[in-house]
Amino acid sequence: DIQMTQSPSSLSASVGDRVTITCQASQDISNFLNWYQQKPGKAPKLLIYDASNLETGVPSRFSGSGSGTDFTFTISSLQPEDIATYYCQQYDNLPITFGQGTRLEIK
Amino acid sequence: EVQLVESGGGLVQPGGSLRLSCAASGFTFSSYAMNWVRQAPGKGLEWVSSISDSGDSTYYADSVKGRFTISRDNSKNTLYLQMSSLRAGDTAVYYCAKDSVAVAASWFDPWGQGTLVTVSS
Repeated sequence: DIQMTQSPSSLSASVGDRVTITCQASQDISNFLNWYQQKPGKAPKLLIYDASNLETGVPSRFSGSGSGTDFTFTISSLQPEDIATYYCQQYDNLPITFGQGTRLEIK
Repeated sequence: EVQLVESGGGLVQPGGSLRLSCAASGFTFSSYAMNWVRQAPGKGLEWVSSISDSGDSTYYADSVKGRFTISRDNSKNTLYLQMSSLRAGDTAVYYCAKDSVAVAASWFDPWGQGTLVTVSS
């Protein structure tokens, strides 16, 4: 199975800050990497697919980059509504695997 | 609007069975693979199973293989997850999610609201 390691596991930042989350795959997954946002008590929501493609309707302050084994998710200017847990997910090989999540809080 | 509505969750004893359903609307259900993903209380996301658009191909996590069966009825726009030999470790919110492709899992969008399965005596 491909292991997905996210860091940090939690993060506290101020409104307006640039926030970066990383996700490392245990083997090369090309660009088969997606990012989700999950707010408390809600279902996950797709933000980024294929490492860098912004899902329709998602604010442009969200972005993703990377390929191979190392990926980055960035919020360019943190907003209060961005408080959530963020997950990466690979689909290069079954089983589909997710990172352990990054919990983002407002400082 | 694409909508997925899960049902069928509840409290079940260890060793028992349960069938989850996911009613889909707002898209051509028969053209997309579908998936089940679960989330244990306070934990992260775990992929459970996927099924191709026609239902001919199914895939399972090792943790549920041989105990869970995914199926779909394209005439009813409904996805199912038959769960048997349930264990305490299966306690989770179960989400269904639409895939972006027909044949294999890729990205999941959207997700249903989830249904809680609690396995306890």
